[in-house]
Amino acid sequence: DAGITQSPRHKVTETGTPVTLRCHQTENHRYMYWYRQDPGHGLRLIHYSYGVKDTDKGEVSDGYSVSRSKTEDFLLTLESATSSQTSVYFCAISDMGHHEQYFGPGTRLTVT
Amino acid sequence: GENVEQHPSTLSVQEGDSAVIKCTYSDSASNYFPWYKQELGKRPQLIIDIRSNVGEKKDQRIAVTLNKTAKHFSLHITETQPEDSAVYFCAASKGSGGSNYKLTFGKGTLLTVNP
Repeated sequence: DAGITQSPRHKVTETGTPVTLRCHQTENHRYMYWYRQDPGHGLRLIHYSYGVKDTDKGEVSDGYSVSRSKTEDFLLTLESATSSQTSVYFCAISDMGHHEQYFGPGTRLTVT
Repeated sequence: GENVEQHPSTLSVQEGDSAVIKCTYSDSASNYFPWYKQELGKRPQLIIDIRSNVGEKKDQRIAVTLNKTAKHFSLHITETQPEDSAVYFCAASKGSGGSNYKLTFGKGTLLTVNP
């Protein structure tokens, strides 16, 4: 597996609280992505980054924000968690000039 | 934006049989088509991919075919084994650099290989 870690791996939080998920890579890849995975929906892109401080929205970005202050870290923040954001969140990376994306181990988030 | 449809949603085969999963895409500019395998509780793993300048690619028991005219591509697994049981996802992206690296995924196929 590519050098990608996610933290925390599991989290339970209450509705209305802010939550930050971290993705850390040791591959020095330029591109980083956040997906959510829900039954019947496959993997859907939330936000992605094409460089330090360069980010853009994916197809399901409402309620989420991201930041990338250095190459190795990509943070996903749920500003005020809702039950509809209960999901498994995957980070992925890809290198400059390459389409292939490699996934982290995932974070299971439950919002009660 | 791109839309990827994947069929079937579930597939059950006997060990040793072949399995075929099909995907269609909507954006004719898409030029990269990967397949991922996800075992229960694990991360998606890239198993094979194909680019639009190639019609077929093989890697041991798995192969992918691409029909650009019809905008569909398929995953073929021969001589299936119980360890092939997993959810398989197809995806599509286009171009090079920046937002064109974004992948659009199908909804997945649960493959069960019965011993």
